Amino acid sequence: QSALTQPPSASGSPGQSVTISCTGTSSDVGGYNYVSWYQQHPGKAPKLIIYEVTKRPSGVPDRFSGSKSGNTASLTVSGLQAEDEADYYCSSYAGINNLVFGPGTKVTVL
Amino acid sequence: EVQLLESGGGLVQPGGSLRLSCAASGFTFGTYAMSWVRQAPGKGLEWVSVINGGGGNTYGADSVKGRFTISRDNSKNTLYLQMNSLRVEDTATYYCAKSSDPNVNIASGFDYWGQGTPVTVSS
Repeated sequence: QSALTQPPSASGSPGQSVTISCTGTSSDVGGYNYVSWYQQHPGKAPKLIIYEVTKRPSGVPDRFSGSKSGNTASLTVSGLQAEDEADYYCSSYAGINNLVFGPGTKVTVL
Repeated sequence: EVQLLESGGGLVQPGGSLRLSCAASGFTFGTYAMSWVRQAPGKGLEWVSVINGGGGNTYGADSVKGRFTISRDNSKNTLYLQMNSLRVEDTATYYCAKSSDPNVNIASGFDYWGQGTPVTVSS
């Protein structure tokens, strides 16, 4: 059982926005500004798209944005495109060199 | 270009051992902490273990403590994972991953991942 909670699925039409939540506790998400988000296409390695809650690595479109309120972090994908269909995982630093992941959310572009 | 190439996976019986390797290139290997992250078939990601850039500090998930040992050889730009006392539940694809921030072991996430090497524990 994952330490973080994510909805199993989310969907949207091309051009729309979709927001994925990632809920933890004050010992992980709420306690540190160290939430990351990864995109994973089938059969591929994960790709970092957000780190430290809101930061985007170079090359990641600004359609991807992150935020956090209390023990819940969120990833928003704006202007959905077909290539955004993938699994999305959140992770959070949980102290004492421990990292926890969410169970993943499958995003479908309708 | 950063590249991470894992090897060493395969089929092993419960209680057996395997050593995974990850050959790194394209960055100053000894500057960054490196981790192993695994993914069971059809399941989510699980962080396994991390080693700091110098190799002197290691940490692991409770699920592998006492059984898995992470190490690195900075002269060879290679990361290792020695897996002993393997269990069926260790079956997964194992990825090596580079920490995105040289000053923080795992907190800032992993900006580069290998393609993964599959490990199957079965009798």
